[in-house]
Amino acid sequence: QPVLTQPTSLSASPGASARLTCTLRSGINLGSYRIFWYQQKPESPPRYLLSYYSDSSKHQGSGVPSRFSGSKDASSNAGILVISGLQSEDEADYYCMIWHSSAWVFGGGTKLTVL
Amino acid sequence: QLQLQESGPGLVKPSETLSLTCTVSGGSISSSSYYWGWIRQPPGKGLEWIGSIYYSGSTYYNPSLKSRVTISVDTSKNQFSLKLSSVTAADTAVYYCARRRGDGDWPDWGQGTLVTVSS
Repeated sequence: QPVLTQPTSLSASPGASARLTCTLRSGINLGSYRIFWYQQKPESPPRYLLSYYSDSSKHQGSGVPSRFSGSKDASSNAGILVISGLQSEDEADYYCMIWHSSAWVFGGGTKLTVL
Repeated sequence: QLQLQESGPGLVKPSETLSLTCTVSGGSISSSSYYWGWIRQPPGKGLEWIGSIYYSGSTYYNPSLKSRVTISVDTSKNQFSLKLSSVTAADTAVYYCARRRGDGDWPDWGQGTLVTVSS
């Protein structure tokens, strides 16, 4: 079972909100990890969006709109990225990342379609 | 503004060593605030961290690749480099160099370079 699991795809309408999940493998304690989120558009390098550890310890990437926000869901052992007020330009792949067992580990990515 | 640029052969034969260099401009690789690293992405697939280096030369590698990876830094040229030995077709990927802040985020990336492993 992978360390981080993301849904392969997600669709949402313009103006709506999208909730992307990043589930940590069973036995890995969500509370101990800072979750990093990246956006990647075709033929471009990833763009750092934000990181979330707690409400008092979070970081927004430079120039990243506030409609991108992070959180955690302890009940599902998952990191959450919420994109509100979806725009067509938000259509992209989204990756989560943590530092685990002496390695930076990425999730498999979620392809977000805005239609 | 910081810029990172990967360079190196786009085609490597199986069993040989892949070598790439990342040239940093607009900032010093000797800054104590940052780490530098390599991340790759096979065509159509996700991201994989390869390894990182500090300007002092201290390194840490992905355990899954550690036996084949060497990352080095040349502060005089403001560059750092990647060597990946004994490559196979599975190593075909876009290779990115990037800068990491101390908190762990990677805000700065090169454009990436495609390396194909084929005879």
